[in-house]
Amino acid sequence: GAVVSQHPSRVICKSGTSVKIECRSLDFQATTMFWYRQFPKKSLMLMATSNEGSKATYEQGVEKDKFLINHASLTLSTLTVTSAHPEDSSFYICSARARWGQFYEQYFGPGTRLTVT
Amino acid sequence: TQLLEQSPQFLSIQEGENLTVYCNSSSVFSSLQWYRQEPGEGPVLLVTVVTGGEVKKLKRLTFQFGDARKDSSLHITAAQPGDTGLYLCAGLWNTDKLIFGTGTRLQVFP
Repeated sequence: GAVVSQHPSRVICKSGTSVKIECRSLDFQATTMFWYRQFPKKSLMLMATSNEGSKATYEQGVEKDKFLINHASLTLSTLTVTSAHPEDSSFYICSARARWGQFYEQYFGPGTRLTVT
Repeated sequence: TQLLEQSPQFLSIQEGENLTVYCNSSSVFSSLQWYRQEPGEGPVLLVTVVTGGEVKKLKRLTFQFGDARKDSSLHITAAQPGDTGLYLCAGLWNTDKLIFGTGTRLQVFP
């Protein structure tokens, strides 16, 4: 089956620093990847849609300068949380969309737990 | 804003009981998916429903998509402790974005 990996799985950083999270589709190409944020005991909130070779599309209320997204290849998208603050602490989940004929399926990564101290 | 409301928000039951989780919206979705998520992990796809009125069964789980493609339900028969988790519905909006429901946290006690 299609597998999506994320790295790192956990990261602790100091306030004011930046941290990069990688999302890779391991056995398929993904022209579109998505980044979600999940607060404790809550559902997933779509942050942005990442398209290979073009700028990401951010959802309303998500700061594009704060959450930098780069989709440099068909198998890799990165999310960089710039100048992180404690309120950025969260569980970040990516997903990659695969096309099978006329249908699309979206596969999710295992998530990255970010803690900003 | 396309919003998917799930009910109940929390459900705590004994092993062997039946339960139904509802996912409702005022918007029409191209398709609707159900996921289960364990703590600290990404969501895992259970099923995709596409056609209005569609019913799909996955062992003890029965999924139904509303005729108007605005709502869905998940019914679990004879729940087991292994069914414990966060259940999420997600609707495909404009064939482009997957929007998640508010979630239902299920706890099944032995």
